[in-house]
Amino acid sequence: ELKVEQNPLFLSMQEGKNYTIYCNYSTTSDRLYWYRQDPGKSLESLFVLLSNGAVKQEGRLMASLDTKARLSTLHITAAVHDLSATYFCAAGFGNEKLTFGTGTRLTIIP
Amino acid sequence: DTEVTQTPKHLVMGMTNKKSLKCEQHMGHRAMYWYKQKAKKPPELMFVYSYEKLSINESVPSRFSPECPNSSLLNLHLHALQPEDSALYLCASSQGLAGGHNEQFFGPGTRLTVL
Repeated sequence: ELKVEQNPLFLSMQEGKNYTIYCNYSTTSDRLYWYRQDPGKSLESLFVLLSNGAVKQEGRLMASLDTKARLSTLHITAAVHDLSATYFCAAGFGNEKLTFGTGTRLTIIP
Repeated sequence: DTEVTQTPKHLVMGMTNKKSLKCEQHMGHRAMYWYKQKAKKPPELMFVYSYEKLSINESVPSRFSPECPNSSLLNLHLHALQPEDSALYLCASSQGLAGGHNEQFFGPGTRLTVL
């Protein structure tokens, strides 16, 4: 059974700083997703990573995938307040089922 | 149309009530999902429909009954729920095609409160 772990669970960081969220998964996966969720809202898709070494960037967020280490990272550069949210990674194998990580609640402090 | 819609946005029901949640997408997706999300937790998969057939039931209690009338619609019928069933219910859809990366797009959710 695929298990997905994220760390840290909580992250409080100052504006302008850099930090990384880690996502480890337990067994073979052929796709890795990152989602953002604001309080009381739905999930917004950020990145889709499909192959070893994949790197994608959007604004201050960059995601990467190492399938050999079964590790994905979400790097935040020069954080700003509007990045405060909960970030989930999710791994899947095959067409249908995703397994979500525990989530990282990110708070950016001015 | 690139969105998944859900109705109602909020629902309050008693333990003896029967209600339904609705989900609709017009992206031509052939896989649709129901998730349950408790506060400060990740979404938990409940059901998956693929090409209008139930393909995954994650051992969900029978008081939750899914229905997929056609490829664009997904319902979740609720009956005799318990207060612990209060949660955000999320619908999602994906292409559902073999070999595709099958990204899931989520609806805004229904906030359910069971009294």
